[in-house]
Amino acid sequence: SQQGEEDPQALSIQEGENATMNCSYKTSINNLQWYRQNSGRGLVHLILIRSNEREKHSGRLRVTLDTSKKSSSLLITASRAADTASYFCATGPRTEGEAAGNKLTFGGGTRVLVKP
Amino acid sequence: DVKVTQSSRYLVKRTGEKVFLECVQDMDHENMFWYRQDPGLGLRLIYFSYDVKMKEKGDIPEGYSVSREKKERFSLILESASTNQTSMYLCASSRTSSAQPQHFGDGTRLSIL
Repeated sequence: SQQGEEDPQALSIQEGENATMNCSYKTSINNLQWYRQNSGRGLVHLILIRSNEREKHSGRLRVTLDTSKKSSSLLITASRAADTASYFCATGPRTEGEAAGNKLTFGGGTRVLVKP
Repeated sequence: DVKVTQSSRYLVKRTGEKVFLECVQDMDHENMFWYRQDPGLGLRLIYFSYDVKMKEKGDIPEGYSVSREKKERFSLILESASTNQTSMYLCASSRTSSAQPQHFGDGTRLSIL
């Protein structure tokens, strides 16, 4: 079953605009991660935020985490055509066992199209 | 730079065949994972391994097995391929310590005819 649910499922914006996508999850987490997937390729890790953090930045990416609402958002500022991709959130569980804690549960993804 | 290599980008097999998908990582990672990705269903974990010869079932292990004889290599085996196993298969690896990112290969698009 999916832990993370992304919203919206698809997003179309003009180059230069900001893109925001949201992720909701159901159980307690240790961390939440965002990944990008270009068409026909594997996933690339973008950013990781731990459960005790509220906001994190990396270049044009800004991630927020609200554990009380069990939700996260990814903001891409000043989007470029090269940002066209699917974006996935993934949650790492809060768990006793170290091995199990390295498993991630992925959401269904948001497809982002940035038009030039 | 981190690299996860999957042996084939595209593979076509017939129903009933035994299929091997290979994955190699060069980062000395303890953990390795196999996922399948289907439209509308996201990534679903098939199996993962946290050490050589160690494995744990994921969410959808039925019809699959795995082998990890060496730390750098993790194989996914379809014992008797069926058409509902047509999918994109993704391999990933990560370190064991808390809150680690996973590094993915480029995937194998497998078609079972």
